[in-house]
Amino acid sequence: IQLTQSPSLLSASVGDRVTLSCKGSQNINNYLAWYQQKLGEAPKLLIYKTNSLQTGIPSRFSGSGSGTDYTLTISSLHSEDLATYYCYQYNNGLTFGSGTKLEIK
Amino acid sequence: EVQLVESGGGLVQPGRSLKFSCAASGFTFSDYAMAWVRQAPKKGLEWVATIIYDGSSTYYRDSVKGRFTISRDNAKSTLYLQMDSLRSEDTATYYCARHALYYWYFDFWGPGTMVTVSS
Repeated sequence: IQLTQSPSLLSASVGDRVTLSCKGSQNINNYLAWYQQKLGEAPKLLIYKTNSLQTGIPSRFSGSGSGTDYTLTISSLHSEDLATYYCYQYNNGLTFGSGTKLEIK
Repeated sequence: EVQLVESGGGLVQPGRSLKFSCAASGFTFSDYAMAWVRQAPKKGLEWVATIIYDGSSTYYRDSVKGRFTISRDNAKSTLYLQMDSLRSEDTATYYCARHALYYWYFDFWGPGTMVTVSS
């Protein structure tokens, strides 16, 4: 399964509601996770099984979707959310999307 | 606290071999499948290999099959990656990652170790 993330680059202001998209080439059956990677750091798990929030992750992060289309939403952008976000599917093989780089205006 | 710490990366010539390790602590290592994920400079994440909890099954991406070997020593809580016939395209930061219990997503990652394949 191939994953296509859009946009590849997103610029937003603190306080904005931000939506990142991930589309699979086949049905992912909700086996989709989201990772945040800050510059120079290892990735961190945010969301698993489409909409389950990992322990310790702020509630401003949420996930949704079904079939081939999935979304990560940040309800109110914080400056520390500057990072690249990757979706990852584990329904059929193990593949990552190409990432969305989130910039703060 | 879960900790994964990789060691053994470095500079290696094309065609040569390298083996590095990941020391795990803070959880029962033998309960979890483990994996290596890599990231080429300024590129995205790429799953490399997975080994199930007892080492009886391993899985690899096509581009490393026959060249890389993932293994584990549960008595030492350590994961390994043996890389043979290295190519320039294997240059990347290699992350040790823990699969979530009973699922194939990764819930904890090590800080990574850099491997540069160059003459």
